[in-house]
Amino acid sequence: NAGVMQNPRHLVRRRGQEARLRCSPMKGHSHVYWYRQLPEEGLKFMVYLQKENIIDESGMPKERFSAEFPKEGPSILRIQQVVRGDSAAYFCASSLRDFANEQFFGPGTRLTVL
Amino acid sequence: DAKTTQPTSMDCAEGRAANLPCNHSTISGNEYVYWYRQIHSQGPQYIIHGLKNNETNEMASLIITEDRKSSTLILPHATLRDTAVYYCIVRAAGSARQLTFGSGTQLTVLP
Repeated sequence: NAGVMQNPRHLVRRRGQEARLRCSPMKGHSHVYWYRQLPEEGLKFMVYLQKENIIDESGMPKERFSAEFPKEGPSILRIQQVVRGDSAAYFCASSLRDFANEQFFGPGTRLTVL
Repeated sequence: DAKTTQPTSMDCAEGRAANLPCNHSTISGNEYVYWYRQIHSQGPQYIIHGLKNNETNEMASLIITEDRKSSTLILPHATLRDTAVYYCIVRAAGSARQLTFGSGTQLTVLP
């Protein structure tokens, strides 16, 4: 049973470009969470999605960031017009149900903005 | 969710028990204590959780004081692969979906 998959593992973008981060949850999981970890800091919650619905985006920056989890395919975290401050590790987690005790994390995508 | 306080870092000798403390003095009656760890450059990994009774699984034991204001995660026989940042998280049942990570404890297991 494959775990949570994220790709790419490393992504380099120049300022002003767009970054697309993909997350495939564990098989059977329909709940996805995105977290961001800035250098030398703890993980911060960004957004929680269920299939085709954004449930809680209280941790998402108001501009340039968006997330989706379509009926088919992976969840996507999209960052438009990236800036150097967006450089971070972005982790996706999935769970089997709402309010689950255990969230399963992927290996992360490390975004570097030049 | 209640705030947690953990030591910044700890060392442990390989093969010995690692005892990681966590203070959560403002914990509410419906809040659980969760432990996750993050090995360098990897995603966090769930370890264990509990409400008020002591819990044990294949990875660790969780001891929660009777007043629930503090807890201790015990790794009974630490190995080098247990070197990681350990996060103690308090989360209300049924009302908080996300995990709120603090700064955690950097555990270094020494050979």
